[in-house]
Amino acid sequence: ILNVEQSPQSLHVQEGDSTNFTCSFPSSNFYALHWYRWETAKSPEALFVMTLNGDEKKKGRISATLNTKEGYSYLYIKGSQPEDSATYLCAFFSSSNTGKLIFGQGTTLQVKP
Amino acid sequence: EAQVTQNPRYLITVTGKKLTVTCSQNMNHEYMSWYRQDPGLGLRQIYYSMNVEVTDKGDVPEGYKVSRKEKRNFPLILESPSPNQTSLYFCACGQGISEQFFGPGTRLTVL
Repeated sequence: ILNVEQSPQSLHVQEGDSTNFTCSFPSSNFYALHWYRWETAKSPEALFVMTLNGDEKKKGRISATLNTKEGYSYLYIKGSQPEDSATYLCAFFSSSNTGKLIFGQGTTLQVKP
Repeated sequence: EAQVTQNPRYLITVTGKKLTVTCSQNMNHEYMSWYRQDPGLGLRQIYYSMNVEVTDKGDVPEGYKVSRKEKRNFPLILESPSPNQTSLYFCACGQGISEQFFGPGTRLTVL
């Protein structure tokens, strides 16, 4: 069974702090990695889709990097704002079974004003 | 407006009473999938479909059935629901490995 791990499980920061989370996935048979943002009482929404080793993507204050050789991705939030409070999920597509999308358990971020 | 719809949004039922949760998308995406979300366990894939008439098991398929007779619809069927299927269910669609678009979720309680 393929495993996707996220750390930390939860994080509390002050407004203005920068923060980062980790997603670990199997380094063999990599196909794609997704990051989603999931606010309470809503549905997950895609932030990034990453397919190439060394990929770096950015959307406003949020960015992500990808290392497929060692099997990890980082999500960075610069200058956290209360509206960034959400659960951040990563999800992994394997080339050995391209239909299965495996999610990590998520990192829940709480930004205090 | 591009969207994924699920019905019903909330359902309370009893053990053994067959039910279907519908999922429909208007984005013409080939890939559709179902997930359940339980506290502490994240999103777990139940079934997925790469295209019409092509379905496959995810990580937790026991107790569920699906069908994909048309591109836009991917219903989730619980033939004999049990209390351990009480959960929040999401349907999603996407163009292959590209970003997934999620429905609003269905909260199911099986008594």
